[in-house]
Amino acid sequence: NAGVTQTPKFRVLKTGQSMTLLCAQDMNHEYMYWYRQDPGMGLRLIHYSVGEGTTAKGEVPDGYNVSRLKKQNFLLGLESAAPSQTSVYFCASSYGDMRATEAFFGQGTRLTVV
Amino acid sequence: DQQVKQNSPSLSVQEGRISILNCDYTNSMFDYFLWYKKYPAEGPTFLISISSIKDKNEDGRFTVFLNKSAKHLSLHIVPSQPGDSAVYFCAASDNQAGTALIFGKGTTLSVSS
Repeated sequence: NAGVTQTPKFRVLKTGQSMTLLCAQDMNHEYMYWYRQDPGMGLRLIHYSVGEGTTAKGEVPDGYNVSRLKKQNFLLGLESAAPSQTSVYFCASSYGDMRATEAFFGQGTRLTVV
Repeated sequence: DQQVKQNSPSLSVQEGRISILNCDYTNSMFDYFLWYKKYPAEGPTFLISISSIKDKNEDGRFTVFLNKSAKHLSLHIVPSQPGDSAVYFCAASDNQAGTALIFGKGTTLSVSS
């Protein structure tokens, strides 16, 4: 009963490098989300998906891309990392719209861009 | 411009007493409100929610009150326990704004025994 699993948990990147964060859920949820949390800030939505093959922009999408090729996986890509992308990234999934139903979050990925 | 404000960054309470966490919002279109709890090095977990058609929702030791005229909601924890020590996020949603929750900055609750 893993729930939402994020890989990796920690990563240090150099400016300009690329990487992909993987989110996997085993609850057969339709909705998946990527959030970032910065010190002293609430969670901000980067991108989300309402089903396999669909993606949409959230509040802070610039510099990120996503893909949802399989229902259980939601990938977040950074093509050219910048220090401003240093943050803790959380993936979440929910059966229905998380505005009205419980969402389950992963443990987070702490990313540092130097 | 913050739409969801948690003006108290921290709150300290003794075990057994009541904890009251406050949240203010500016968008009158918000129609659903949620509270999430977060422990260090873990993801947030859902705690309780309330629809704008209600003014109170209770779940065990946790009660959320909504005052729409004041655009204010509060989370009451009674009695508080040391295990309640965590960061509490208030979040709100607007049915017309797409699938996005707007989160506050969080309030760190410390419950001492």
